[in-house]
Amino acid sequence: GQNIDQPTEMTATEGAIVQINCTYQTSGFNGLFWYQQHAGEAPTFLSYNVLDGLEEKGRFSSFLSRSKGYSYLLLKELQMKDSASYLCAVRDSNYQLIWGAGTKLIIKP
Amino acid sequence: ETGVTQTPRHLVMGMTNKKSLKCEQHLGHNAMYWYKQSAKKPLELMFVYNFKEQTENNSVPSRFSPECPNSSHLFLHLHTLQPEDSALYLCASSQDPGTGDEKLFFGSGTQLSVL
Repeated sequence: GQNIDQPTEMTATEGAIVQINCTYQTSGFNGLFWYQQHAGEAPTFLSYNVLDGLEEKGRFSSFLSRSKGYSYLLLKELQMKDSASYLCAVRDSNYQLIWGAGTKLIIKP
Repeated sequence: ETGVTQTPRHLVMGMTNKKSLKCEQHLGHNAMYWYKQSAKKPLELMFVYNFKEQTENNSVPSRFSPECPNSSHLFLHLHTLQPEDSALYLCASSQDPGTGDEKLFFGSGTQLSVL
């Protein structure tokens, strides 16, 4: 079966750096997405990786290793507003999106 | 108004009620989706409409009935639901569902409670 694994919950301190990991086993690969979802709000697109390596976008970076079936989302200079759930999703060979259960990130002052 | 709008934001219904969820997108997209989001579970794709035609129905029980009258509007009609149907129902849209980097634009969802 197809599966996406990510930690259920993480805690970090304001101003610090946090890395949220995502591992996947899917039937083929056509890209990996990260979405951010604040409580009670819509998920919003953060990043897309289809080639190996690091994609940097301001304070957020996303890394992909296709050979390892692994990605991480790196958040730097954490702010209180970064408290949210982070969803990892992989597009498989049929272009279906396979979702992880999300990682709830708690930022403490 | 821009983006994807869902109404109502919250809904409480009994198992014998009939209600409808509404979604409207103002992005000019061609595809619309219904997802179910339960606590600590992955998003579950329910239905996909592409150019008003239903292209996916992921073995969803018949007590959920979608309707897509045009590319901007999507409804989910609910009847005789079960308590396990309580969840957040998210609507999303996208420009072209056939491409790899296609990203979804979500509404804020309807939090449904079935008593």
